[in-house]
Amino acid sequence: DVKVTQSSRYLVKRTGEKVFLECVQDMDHENMFWYRQDPGLGLRLIYFSYDVKMKEKGDIPEGYSVSREKKERFSLILESASTNQTSMYLCASSSTGFLVQPQHFGDGTRLSIL
Amino acid sequence: SQQGEEDPQALSIQEGENATMNCSYKTSINNLQWYRQNSGRGLVHLILIRSNEREKHSGRLRVTLDTSKKSSSLLITASRAADTASYFCATDADGGSNYKLTFGKGTLLTVNP
Repeated sequence: DVKVTQSSRYLVKRTGEKVFLECVQDMDHENMFWYRQDPGLGLRLIYFSYDVKMKEKGDIPEGYSVSREKKERFSLILESASTNQTSMYLCASSSTGFLVQPQHFGDGTRLSIL
Repeated sequence: SQQGEEDPQALSIQEGENATMNCSYKTSINNLQWYRQNSGRGLVHLILIRSNEREKHSGRLRVTLDTSKKSSSLLITASRAADTASYFCATDADGGSNYKLTFGKGTLLTVNP
């Protein structure tokens, strides 16, 4: 069965810290995504990657960077955490097809920045 | 950017009743997908309907798509308490990226026992 694993379910960090969120998928998917989910705003795409070392900005990339050194792993980095980055972060992966394929999600990391 | 919008924002029904949620979107699509999210968990893909399809079934789920009205509906029949969750529609963009989806804000469905 498809599995996307996020390294932490809950994380508490301080303002100004560099924060790493890790995501691993076991489906050999080409595409991986990072979203944040906030009440009333739905899911917003931060970054996505369609291949190793390849990345594209989503709708809200400011304050974030990503790394994809291996196909199965996609990391989200908060360069200098701020309180407005407190949120639920969701990682997803999908295969590449002629049309957009379904995405498979991890269970999320609830990040609090104090 | 193009976005699906679900309606209603929240829906509360009794177990055994049917639940209908709607999604509207703005520009042409190749396919539309529905997802479920249980509280505190990730999203789970439910069903995908292509732009040349009008209706699709999966178990107790029935999805319709009307491309002329740019709308879709998700019907859950004979609802159960375990169906309590948020439901999201997601659209691609015809002529756009072939791996990116845009999600709506979701409908929160509560099924009371």
